[in-house]
Amino acid sequence: GQNIDQPTEMTATEGAIVQINCTYQTSGFNGLFWYQQHAGEAPTFLSYNVLDGLEEKGRFSSFLSRSKGYSYLLLKELQMKDSASYLCAVDLNQAGTALIFGKGTTLSVSS
Amino acid sequence: GAGVSQSPRYKVAKRGQDVALRCDPISGHVSLFWYQQALGQGPEFLTYFQNEAQLDKSGLPSDRFFAERPEGSVSTLKIQRTQQEDSAVYLCASSLNSKLNTEAFFGQGTRLTVV
Repeated sequence: GQNIDQPTEMTATEGAIVQINCTYQTSGFNGLFWYQQHAGEAPTFLSYNVLDGLEEKGRFSSFLSRSKGYSYLLLKELQMKDSASYLCAVDLNQAGTALIFGKGTTLSVSS
Repeated sequence: GAGVSQSPRYKVAKRGQDVALRCDPISGHVSLFWYQQALGQGPEFLTYFQNEAQLDKSGLPSDRFFAERPEGSVSTLKIQRTQQEDSAVYLCASSLNSKLNTEAFFGQGTRLTVV
């Protein structure tokens, strides 16, 4: 079976840095996505990692270690609007079939 | 349209009723995916289309669930004889080509409540 684990909830304060971890054990791997989902809204794409290492995009960075089955999403200079669910998802293969999602991490940012 | 459009946004169905959920993907997008998202959970894969071909329906939970995309554009997810456990948000996503390393764009979903 496919297994993707993320913490259920995290809290942080404005201006802080938070790291959301994701570990995966899947039958195939062709890359890992991070999506942001505000309550009642569609998931929106944040990042895609296929090679080991850190990908930086503004306040958000994503890291991947394929050998360890591990990724994290790093959010810097947190803002209240960053309060959302963050979904880790694995692309199982190259044939274009679906992403397998984790259950998501609900991040609450307070002032 | 500019994004993936789903209708209706909200649907309340009586147990046993049939429902049809519509997805209009981004124009020209080859791949289309349906996901089911229960409250507080991540999306779970239901089925995948490449153009009009349904290449993977392994996630459909029962034979009450049926999806089609007859002309390779708009897709419909049909649920027959709805049950309370079908209550969830149904998300549709499309991507430009058959390789998933192009990002998938999600619609806002249809929230189905079965009473």
